[in-house]
Amino acid sequence: QKEVEQDPGPLSVPEGAIVSLNCTYSNSAFQYFMWYRQYSRKGPELLMYTYSSGNKEDGRFTAQVDKSSKYISLFIRDSQPSDSATYLCAMFKAAGNKLTFGGGTRVLVKP
Amino acid sequence: NAGVTQTPKFQVLKTGQSMTLQCAQDMNHNSMYWYRQDPGMGLRLIYYSASEGTTDKGEVPNGYNVSRLNKREFSLRLESAAPSQTSVYFCASRSTPDQPQHFGDGTRLSIL
Repeated sequence: QKEVEQDPGPLSVPEGAIVSLNCTYSNSAFQYFMWYRQYSRKGPELLMYTYSSGNKEDGRFTAQVDKSSKYISLFIRDSQPSDSATYLCAMFKAAGNKLTFGGGTRVLVKP
Repeated sequence: NAGVTQTPKFQVLKTGQSMTLQCAQDMNHNSMYWYRQDPGMGLRLIYYSASEGTTDKGEVPNGYNVSRLNKREFSLRLESAAPSQTSVYFCASRSTPDQPQHFGDGTRLSIL
């Protein structure tokens, strides 16, 4: 079993819809959680970074962390065709050097 | 604001050839990382350097060596390339252990 599980998709939504992405993890030692966006032939770009359980909002993006359930989510409001990309969740332990990634979810926002 | 810069962007090698991938960051970060990304395998850590002067193995270090040249630069070397090393290689850096990593745009390496 993988430490971090993420549905690979693809997830296809119409423009303007809310995109809902999530990851589950098994290791309770993970303390820091991130979402990256990766466009084709580009590197992962940091979108959201959270430490504590709860919600964090940045523009159209909201990240949720539920440490008790070992579950993290990313919501994209008013989705745009430019949001079409692969979204990777990632996490690491306190003072840890190793990022553990989910496999990524491919999102397609149709005009 | 360049961030993390990787060179070259693309390379084709023959089996047995050697190659050094270069990475430089301009964010004054202490730690630097090398990953490979393969379909179905996700991103896997090859080597990292927690601070200038130190390097450590990650999950998949076999067939690779690294050098932390200075605080800015961290290179990855393939001494004798094998087809199994065909991949996209990403370099990343971060400032302190409680901060996220920032990635470059990758080097696409094909080994024939």
